[in-house]
Amino acid sequence: DIQMTQSPSSLSASVGDRVTITCRASQGISNSLAWFQQKPGKAPKSLIYAASSLQSGVPSKFSGSGSGTDFTLTISRLQPEDFATYYCQQYASYPLTFGQGTKVEIK
Amino acid sequence: EVQLVESGGGLVQPGGSLRLSCAVSGFTLSDHYMDWVRQAPGKGLEWVGRTRSKVNTYTTQYAASVKGRFTISRDDSKNSLYLQMNSLNIEDTAVYYCVRVSQTYYFFDYWGQGTLVTVSS
Repeated sequence: DIQMTQSPSSLSASVGDRVTITCRASQGISNSLAWFQQKPGKAPKSLIYAASSLQSGVPSKFSGSGSGTDFTLTISRLQPEDFATYYCQQYASYPLTFGQGTKVEIK
Repeated sequence: EVQLVESGGGLVQPGGSLRLSCAVSGFTLSDHYMDWVRQAPGKGLEWVGRTRSKVNTYTTQYAASVKGRFTISRDDSKNSLYLQMNSLNIEDTAVYYCVRVSQTYYFFDYWGQGTLVTVSS
């Protein structure tokens, strides 16, 4: 199975900050990487697919990069509605696997 | 508008069975792979399994943790996806999400709101 490791597990940031979350795959997955946002009590929401493509309707303050084993999600100009938990997920091979999540909290 | 609405969750005893349903609208179900993903209370996301599209003959794939106990099926004429869960144990307690897979790139593009399954005596 491909292990997905996110860092950090949590972070505190202020409104207006730029935030970067990293995700590392235990083996190469090309660009078969997605990012999701989840708010408490809600279903996850798709943000990024194919490592760097923005899902329809997602604001451009979200961006993704990377290929192979190392990936990043960047949120520019953090807003109150962006405080949530973020997950990466690989869909290169079965079983599909997720990172453990990164909780973005208000400083 | 794409919508996915799960139902059928509830309290079940260890060793019991439960069938979840997912009613979909806003797209042609037969064109899409469909997955189930679960989330134990306070934990991360775990992929459960997949049913492929009609052109891929509806073949299925499962996580090792549920293989042989869970079965994914679908009825495209009723715009519905199902998850039959047998031999449930406490570790299966979770919110279960129905998820649509994009026809291009094969990523999760739409999620249902989830249904809670609690396995407890």
